[in-house]
Amino acid sequence: QQQVKQSPQSLIVQKGGISIINCAYENTAFDYFPWYQQFPGKGPALLIAIRPDVSEKKEGRFTISFNKSAKQFSLHIMDSQPGDSATYFCAASNGQNFVFGPGTRLSVLP
Amino acid sequence: KAGVTQTPRYLIKTRGQQVTLSCSPISGHRSVSWYQQTPGQGLQFLFEYFSETQRNKGNFPGRFSGRQFSNSRSEMNVSTLELGDSALYLCASSFAENTEAFFGQGTRLTVV
Repeated sequence: QQQVKQSPQSLIVQKGGISIINCAYENTAFDYFPWYQQFPGKGPALLIAIRPDVSEKKEGRFTISFNKSAKQFSLHIMDSQPGDSATYFCAASNGQNFVFGPGTRLSVLP
Repeated sequence: KAGVTQTPRYLIKTRGQQVTLSCSPISGHRSVSWYQQTPGQGLQFLFEYFSETQRNKGNFPGRFSGRQFSNSRSEMNVSTLELGDSALYLCASSFAENTEAFFGQGTRLTVV
């Protein structure tokens, strides 16, 4: 019940396209859902986060969509750029610790 | 504002040895969490400290321990190292629970 599922495992998108990564959770006690971006050799960097009282949050080219009833949330990267090529992790927190998804390796082709 | 600082960046240790990793959180942050990242298991929670008290602990053996000092700096110790302990160890700091957590660059531990 502590698991966070993430798909796809890897994603290849053309420059300018939309990248979509999906996550699902079981534990209804989770109430904070961040997304992290990680480049090789670096620690994860917080991209954007959402709480269950809103269904969507947008920051620049990054949008989180949240469906509380389905216990699913997704990250949309608009106008994807080669510099967005990285591994993306969704996470969920119940106030005790973060549970991370397994990650999605995104490659944006020039 | 300085970010989360982890030292050292790289470590090579021999099986059976022990190791201590250090984490300095962002100024003003009192919560420090530790994670282990491996290709096979992903990011796994080790433990979390707040105001020098361990509040939460993940599912790791007792060889993994930590502490937090009054200035919020934290250390993680692994005793009797095993080959499987080779991983990137990440520290994250946050102001309070369920708020933004910021990660350091990690310590890459290799056990030979």
